[in-house]
Amino acid sequence: AQSVTQLGSHVSVSEGALVLLRCNYSSSVPPYLFWYVQYPNQGLQLLLKYTTGATLVKGINGFEAEFKKSETSFHLTKPSAHMSDAAEYFCAVGNRDDKIIFGKGTRLHILP
Amino acid sequence: DGGITQSPKYLFRKEGQNVTLSCEQNLNHDAMYWYRQDPGQGLRLIYYSQIVNDFQKGDIAEGYSVSREKKESFPLTVTSAQKNPTAFYLCASSIGGQAGELFFGEGSRLTVL
Repeated sequence: AQSVTQLGSHVSVSEGALVLLRCNYSSSVPPYLFWYVQYPNQGLQLLLKYTTGATLVKGINGFEAEFKKSETSFHLTKPSAHMSDAAEYFCAVGNRDDKIIFGKGTRLHILP
Repeated sequence: DGGITQSPKYLFRKEGQNVTLSCEQNLNHDAMYWYRQDPGQGLRLIYYSQIVNDFQKGDIAEGYSVSREKKESFPLTVTSAQKNPTAFYLCASSIGGQAGELFFGEGSRLTVL
């Protein structure tokens, strides 16, 4: 069985500061890992994904995430927050044979 | 432009009425999904379909029904048996398989009065 835990339902950072959103997963087989972003009253958009290969994955809008198998983590980072980054972020885990499971989401607030 | 179209975006219904949410995709994707989103709950899978004329229950299928008569269409009916239907509903598709990247529609917000 798979599961995903996002630490912190709300995270606030100042504009220009580092963004760090935490995601830990559980999977009995090699995982596929995803980060999605959702703006108010909209659908989800893929930020980045890890399936195989390089463990540091770069996505859109300057975000990146690193797959750390030993820590079962896939934390999302961005060096410098922008006001437009304010949104809800979802981590998700899947694998070759099973459906994708979503975390409960982290709402990112950007302080001016 | 290819994508997923959900309609209506907002829907109000009286308790006890069935409602049908539309989902159409022109991405030529085999798999389609319906999710329910409630504040603080993340996304929960209602139904999914990997091929025309076939679909499977997700984690919270009770009170919902679907059909998949055409590859591009996957409508969701929220029946009167769904005890708490007020929610944001998201339709998604993927090229194939259950763990591929999901492409989402803009969502439909259903409010039951």
